Amino acid sequence: KAGVTQTPRYLIKTRGQQVTLSCSPISGHRSVSWYQQTPGQGLQFLFEYFSETQRNKGNFPGRFSGRQFSNSRSEMNVSTLELGDSALYLCASSLGGTGGAYEQYFGPGTRLTVT
Amino acid sequence: QQQVKQSPQSLIVQKGGISIINCAYENTAFDYFPWYQQFPGKGPALLIAIRPDVSEKKEGRFTISFNKSAKQFSLHIMDSQPGDSATYFCAAIPTGTASKLTFGTGTRLQVTL
Repeated sequence: KAGVTQTPRYLIKTRGQQVTLSCSPISGHRSVSWYQQTPGQGLQFLFEYFSETQRNKGNFPGRFSGRQFSNSRSEMNVSTLELGDSALYLCASSLGGTGGAYEQYFGPGTRLTVT
Repeated sequence: QQQVKQSPQSLIVQKGGISIINCAYENTAFDYFPWYQQFPGKGPALLIAIRPDVSEKKEGRFTISFNKSAKQFSLHIMDSQPGDSATYFCAAIPTGTASKLTFGTGTRLQVTL
């Protein structure tokens, strides 16, 4: 089974621009979660989508948004980029249904640099 | 606020030794505790996980010990190998969310020859 894939792997953007990151989950997984990883703040939960609906949300400003498509693929958008948004953005997929299938599998991440 | 505290920040162990990483949590409404291993340039990889109704779980050289009353859990890596050199994260999932991993700050493990 193919793992979680993320595109692009690297991005360089300028302050004020917006960016869209993409994530394809493991086949059969319906939940996609997004995380931000920085040296200062560590790994932080952004949001989770399940069956095209945002099911959980972390403590990030509204500039961070996402969506999920009917094939479970997900995109994350960051508008009005700030220098502090430079980070590794990770997506994780899981089965996501009831019954405690909590195992989340991460992709390789997208390294975003804001200049 | 940090709800999962992890120690030590870094750890050096000789090949064949036991690596021990500790975590403590502050929120009793967690019901799933995974450990992740991350190599440079890669995403975290799920190593092993435990639920609070179990006190110990072993998979190969990796063991989780869980103390519910003390709100602590730890990862033991037996017979540590140079290939185990990586950053390890403990995490917890709040009850009822099925996602929303709260991570510890990470432990950088170096296994020397």
